Amino acid sequence: GQQLNQSPQSMFIQEGEDVSMNCTSSSIFNTWLWYKQDPGEGPVLLIALYKAGELTSNGRLTAQFGITRKDSFLNISASIPSDVGIYFCAGRTYSGNTPLVFGKGTRLSVIA
Amino acid sequence: GAGVSQSPSNKVTEKGKDVELRCDPISGHTALYWYRQSLGQGLEFLIYFQGNSAPDKSGLPSDRFSAERTGGSVSTLTIQRTQQEDSAVYLCASSFSGWGADTQYFGPGTRLTVL
Repeated sequence: GQQLNQSPQSMFIQEGEDVSMNCTSSSIFNTWLWYKQDPGEGPVLLIALYKAGELTSNGRLTAQFGITRKDSFLNISASIPSDVGIYFCAGRTYSGNTPLVFGKGTRLSVIA
Repeated sequence: GAGVSQSPSNKVTEKGKDVELRCDPISGHTALYWYRQSLGQGLEFLIYFQGNSAPDKSGLPSDRFSAERTGGSVSTLTIQRTQQEDSAVYLCASSFSGWGADTQYFGPGTRLTVL
């Protein structure tokens, strides 16, 4: 089935640093989503992207829908301890009723 | 507020036993999804319910897995004759409408351990 390659698998950063993670696909996607999962919780939607080239911000988070429609990145600026968690990318290849495909996640640790 | 709830939060069972996992979606949400999250893996789609339509079962890994949704609300995921490879966190999500509605709200999951 569909595969999303998400990298890096894990990151250890100092508080205040900026973070970047990305997702690539072998297929063209028409929707990219970024979720965050805290320990013991379900994923929560952070940002949704619907157009190639689209750049969207949510506070300190910024995500972009790649021009090729096969990739997306998520940046977090000035990281804080509560940014710790697992970040998942997810995408959909066609409009309409197709399942979301999820990446394997990027585990972020922030060192105060 | 009433989010998606799942029960039990943890389930330990012996190989070969049947288990039932429950999901209570957000009131008014017509779509309900089940996912499986294995250690170090992403979210694997299992099954999707939308209103009164026939469910999309394309993600169920074997015929030991089944799910039902009663009255368009509560859903139960049943795993028969559990195997050790079934150990995972099972997540339920709901949304206002079908796949086109991207804001899926997830429950906290049920952690299943098969000994």
